[in-house]
Amino acid sequence: EADIYQTPRYLVIGTGKKITLECSQTMGHDKMYWYQQDPGMELHLIHYSYGVNSTEKGDLSSESTVSRIRTEHFPLTLESARPSHTSQYLCASSDREHTDTQYFGPGTRLTVL
Amino acid sequence: QKEVEQDPGPLSVPEGAIVSLNCTYSNSAFQYFMWYRQYSRKGPELLMYTYSSGNKEDGRFTAQVDKSSKYISLFIRDSQPSDSATYLCAMSEEDYKLSFGAGTTVTVRA
Repeated sequence: EADIYQTPRYLVIGTGKKITLECSQTMGHDKMYWYQQDPGMELHLIHYSYGVNSTEKGDLSSESTVSRIRTEHFPLTLESARPSHTSQYLCASSDREHTDTQYFGPGTRLTVL
Repeated sequence: QKEVEQDPGPLSVPEGAIVSLNCTYSNSAFQYFMWYRQYSRKGPELLMYTYSSGNKEDGRFTAQVDKSSKYISLFIRDSQPSDSATYLCAMSEEDYKLSFGAGTTVTVRA
């Protein structure tokens, strides 16, 4: 079982709030990713990181930001949440050599009212 | 047109049946092919990984890749209620970027 954790698992907040979704992994993986998943739709990559102090935007435009100050930690922040941000957010990681073998966390289901 | 198309399902089969799942794709540069299983309220977990064309078997699971037809399949033999989940196909070229199908939800009835 992959050792990748996400908190909170569920979050319901009001419009305009700032939120941070936490993701941590204990596998020592260099690469980490954030995906957005809506019901019946493909996973879309919104951010990724190759290592500490490296962050890049993914294919799906997102108003969120990420940081990678420590190898094991890759938090995602929304400065001002809106109802359009309602979705499931999945964090994943992979090692340097096998970037296509990604291990996923359990996800955070975000609802913005 | 989506890069990866997956039969949407849902699929409902009796216990013990063979489950057949399929994806087609348009990018001929894809070389790595994966199947993920996702239980309700959980993250996807890697089930099968195949490089290039061919078959791969792991217990009750068989993955097939036909690059000439741009078509991949996953077969589950002797299906069990515990196999009830959403199955996602994914594929990539040589880097981190995975392209996913939308998933097929499978229910195995006891």
